[in-house]
Amino acid sequence: QKEVEQNSGPLSVPEGAIASLNCTYSDRGSQSFFWYRQYSGKSPELIMSIYSNGDKEDGRFTAQLNKASQYVSLLIRDSQPSDSATYLCAVNIRNPSGGYNKLIFGAGTRLAVHP
Amino acid sequence: DGGITQSPKYLFRKEGQNVTLSCEQNLNHDAMYWYRQDPGQGLRLIYYSQIVNDFQKGDIAEGYSVSREKKESFPLTVTSAQKNPTAFYLCASAYLGLAGTGELFFGEGSRLTVL
Repeated sequence: QKEVEQNSGPLSVPEGAIASLNCTYSDRGSQSFFWYRQYSGKSPELIMSIYSNGDKEDGRFTAQLNKASQYVSLLIRDSQPSDSATYLCAVNIRNPSGGYNKLIFGAGTRLAVHP
Repeated sequence: DGGITQSPKYLFRKEGQNVTLSCEQNLNHDAMYWYRQDPGQGLRLIYYSQIVNDFQKGDIAEGYSVSREKKESFPLTVTSAQKNPTAFYLCASAYLGLAGTGELFFGEGSRLTVL
């Protein structure tokens, strides 16, 4: 089982719709979760961080965390063509051999918003 | 301006040569990370460090080496033992919090091509 899993997509939504991106993780003890956006050929940029169960809203973005189900999601409301990018889920995973935690990324979901 | 600087941005190397990618940050972050990204794929962790003079192997450390002699600097050497080094390399840094690694800030990346 991969430590962090995402559907690779592509996820295609019309402009103005809600895009829903999902991520599952293996380490039940993980405590911090992040969503990054990456445009082609560029480095990732942070969109949202979430640490507690429930929803966290920031503008058109809402992150949802359910630790019992080991599931984190990102909703993008009123999707715009400029939102077309790859969205990466990242989870803080405990190091099984001890030592420090490590931040592990999923493979990313490609989102395409069409006019 | 505060940030993370990676150099060089583009690098070409002949097979059998070692190359070193530079990463410097002036954000006073404790943790620094190196990731590798192949076309159409997510980020895979190579090495990470959370204090000076200490670092941990990530999931794909074979063929790579690092050092952390200063808090600001975390260079990555791609050795001739790395069988398929052509990739996009990303350096990142973060504060360490109670929940582990905080939000990662990325450099612009270094694109390595082996001829």
